[in-house]
Amino acid sequence: GAVVSQHPSWVICKSGTSVKIECRSLDFQATTMFWYRQFPKQSLMLMATSNEGSKATYEQGVEKDKFLINHASLTLSTLTVTSAHPEDSSFYICSATGQGSNIQYFGAGTRLSVL
Amino acid sequence: DQQVKQNSPSLSVQEGRISILNCDYTNSMFDYFLWYKKYPAEGPTFLISISSIKDKNEDGRFTVFLNKSAKHLSLHIVPSQPGDSAVYFCAASYAGGTSYGKLTFGQGTILTVHP
Repeated sequence: GAVVSQHPSWVICKSGTSVKIECRSLDFQATTMFWYRQFPKQSLMLMATSNEGSKATYEQGVEKDKFLINHASLTLSTLTVTSAHPEDSSFYICSATGQGSNIQYFGAGTRLSVL
Repeated sequence: DQQVKQNSPSLSVQEGRISILNCDYTNSMFDYFLWYKKYPAEGPTFLISISSIKDKNEDGRFTVFLNKSAKHLSLHIVPSQPGDSAVYFCAASYAGGTSYGKLTFGQGTILTVHP
């Protein structure tokens, strides 16, 4: 299957700082990348969809100025959590899909802890 | 509004027996369905999928059945192995407008396979 790499796997930061998470498709061109958030014992909640070279489309209730998404190339998307606060602590997961594909391949996730 | 539901939070099965995981959906626009396996603190791993034009898809030990009239799908794992123990998510999507490629996930079912 296709490989998606997500980095870092775990980050701890102080309240008020910004954190950048990278998502890379290693062996295919990802025309679309998705960012999810998962709270403990809950399902994955889609935050935003990004297409290469376009602005991301955010789901209802997700602050676009808080969660900045950049998808500058066909293999890389980044999520920046700006001015992070303890309530932003969560497990963030990216996924990627190629042209014409219905299958999303997921990264390993990033555990964010904001102190 | 939970459009994809996995009503069994957990399932326990003996090694070698069949595991049957169930999923129901409400949105008749869904036309593609996927099953993912997930370990704690990791991203989901794609297992198997099925298009709405089919009612069965098989890949090794994994078979997915789709009953469109009942809006129900199931994943069969035969024979079950201890390494199959994980959380299983079903997901659905439809190729419609801005929703193309977006997955809607169920809540997940924790499968435990006992030796």
